[in-house]
Amino acid sequence: EIVLTQSPGTLSLSPGERATLSCRASQSLSSIYLAWYQQKPGQAPRLLIYGISSRATGIPDRFSGSGSGTDFTLTISRLEPEDFAVYFCHQYGNSQTFGQGTKVEI
Amino acid sequence: EVQLVESGGGLVQPGGSLRLSCAASGFTFSSHWMSWVRQAPGKGLEWVANINQDGSGKYFVDSVKGRFTISRDNSKNSVYLQMNSLRAEDTAVYYCARKYSGSDYWGQGTLVTVSS
Repeated sequence: EIVLTQSPGTLSLSPGERATLSCRASQSLSSIYLAWYQQKPGQAPRLLIYGISSRATGIPDRFSGSGSGTDFTLTISRLEPEDFAVYFCHQYGNSQTFGQGTKVEI
Repeated sequence: EVQLVESGGGLVQPGGSLRLSCAASGFTFSSHWMSWVRQAPGKGLEWVANINQDGSGKYFVDSVKGRFTISRDNSKNSVYLQMNSLRAEDTAVYYCARKYSGSDYWGQGTLVTVSS
């Protein structure tokens, strides 16, 4: 099983600042099946990024994904008030795993 | 508009069974893999199971193998999760999701509580 470890656990930032979230895999992802989600309290997760760096439909361009091998990053270039939430990375082969999440708080 | 609507959650005793359903609309259901993902209260996301387009391919997280089964009925645009021998640690919100470019659409979830 591929374990995904996200860091930091909590990121305390202000609106307008840049957020950099990390996701490290326990083994190299041979495919590009790495995604990122945003989740707000009481809501289902929302797909932000798939295939490491492709933005999902309707996702603003302040969200970007990058990385390869075992190290992946979600960057939010300028935080908007609605971006304060929990973010999960996800590897989605036939068997899937999620990271434990990073909370971005004000 | 793509919609996924889960049902069937509730309170069940340890060792009991429950069957979750997910009704899909707004897309060609028979062309897509589907997944179940759960989230224990206050915790992160945990993938539970996948099923391919015709139901011939099924994958499960180790913790539910032998206890949960996944199935689908393409004539009813529905996917199911049969959960047997339930344990307290299965308590979670269970989400149905379309497996495409990650999981691009999610239902609102249904709560399963395993408690005596």
